[in-house]
This record gives sequence, structure tokens and C-alpha cells, in this order.
Amino acid sequence: QKEVEQNSGPLSVPEGAIASLNCTYSDRVSQSFFWYRQYSGKSPELIMSIYSNGDKEDGRFTAQLNKASQYVSLLIRDSQPSDSATYLCAVRNTGFQKLVFGTGTRLLVSP
Amino acid sequence: GAVVSQHPSRVICKSGTSVKIECRSLDFQATTMFWYRQFPKQSLMLMATSNEGSKATYEQGVEKDKFLINHASLTLSTLTVTSAHPEDSSFYICSARDEGSRELFFGEGSRLTVL
Repeated sequence: QKEVEQNSGPLSVPEGAIASLNCTYSDRVSQSFFWYRQYSGKSPELIMSIYSNGDKEDGRFTAQLNKASQYVSLLIRDSQPSDSATYLCAVRNTGFQKLVFGTGTRLLVSP
Repeated sequence: GAVVSQHPSRVICKSGTSVKIECRSLDFQATTMFWYRQFPKQSLMLMATSNEGSKATYEQGVEKDKFLINHASLTLSTLTVTSAHPEDSSFYICSARDEGSRELFFGEGSRLTVL
């Protein structure tokens, strides 16, 4: 079982719709969760971080965490073509420094 | 905001040569830096954790003698790919942790092509 799992996609949504990206993780003691956006040929950029159960909103982005289900998601409201990218879920265990990435979900937002 | 700079952004080399990639934290001190490798259409795979003033910690399956890491100062870590071969062609990305904010910042990445 992979440590962090994501559906590779592509997830296709029309402009203005809500895009829902999902991620599951295997290590129950994971403490910190991150969503990164990566455009082709570029390095990842941090979109959201979330550390406790529930929802965290930042502009058009909402991260949701459910530690009991070992599940974290990212909702993008009013999706724009510029949101088209690969979204990487990353998990960090407090006891360790390293960040473990999922394989990423490719999002395509059509005009 | 904090910036992590990587150099070179692209490098092409012949098989058997060595290539050095630099990762610098420009406006914060980084005791810990991380080196990742990303093959096309795959995720970032952690290669090693670079600790200032001590030996790097390598992930399982990463050859420490092939991928030399030096973290001689609080703002600079280097990755040297020794005796590079075509299968080492990849996108190498570093990240640095700001000890103040505990945030992790990524460099721009270095694309290595070994002919």
C-alpha cells in the first residue's frame, strides 16, 4: 500500500464548476497535510496546509481533513482554466521531518 | 517571501561525467534541506535529507556514493550526481525548511539530461 494515494486523473471540470480532489494516507500518526500545485516543468507551490480535523478555507480553496478516515481533500470553487495543473497531496509525520507525496491528480478546467 | 534558489535550472551532460546542483535559501537559514527527484508523470520521490554540518540521510534505494550531498552552510546545500548515466536524467528539486516559520519552500528545480 502506498503511503499517500491519489487518483491520477485527469479530472475534467468546466470553468466555474467545483473541482474535488481526494487523497488517502496510510500512516495514522501523520500530523501535517499539504496540497501543492505543480504546473508542467515547474516545481510545486504550496496551496493549502491543514493540521486538524475539519475544513480550512482560503479564497477559492477549501481543504478538508478527516483523520479517522485518513482522508484529506481539496475543493476548488469557481474553477478557472489557470487552475489546470497537477495537484499533489503531501503528508508529514511530526516525528519525522520528511514530506511524503502522492502521485498527484491532474486537473483540467475547460473554458 | 522566502525564496529558495536552485542552479542550474537545466543541464545537459555526457554519460560518465559529474554534475553539481546548488540549492540556496536566499533570505532565511535552513538547517535542513531535502532533495527530491521526479521522473515524467510521476510524483516527487525524496532522495535524501541534508543536514547542515552533518552527513545526509539517504532514503532506501538511493546510492549515497552516487548522489553526494554537502550542506556546508545554513544557506547552501549541493547535490552532485557522480558518473551520470542516461537513467539519471530527471527533474531534481530541493526544498528548504525555514527554522523560524517551520514552512517548507521549494526551489525551481533542475532538469538534468544525460546523453
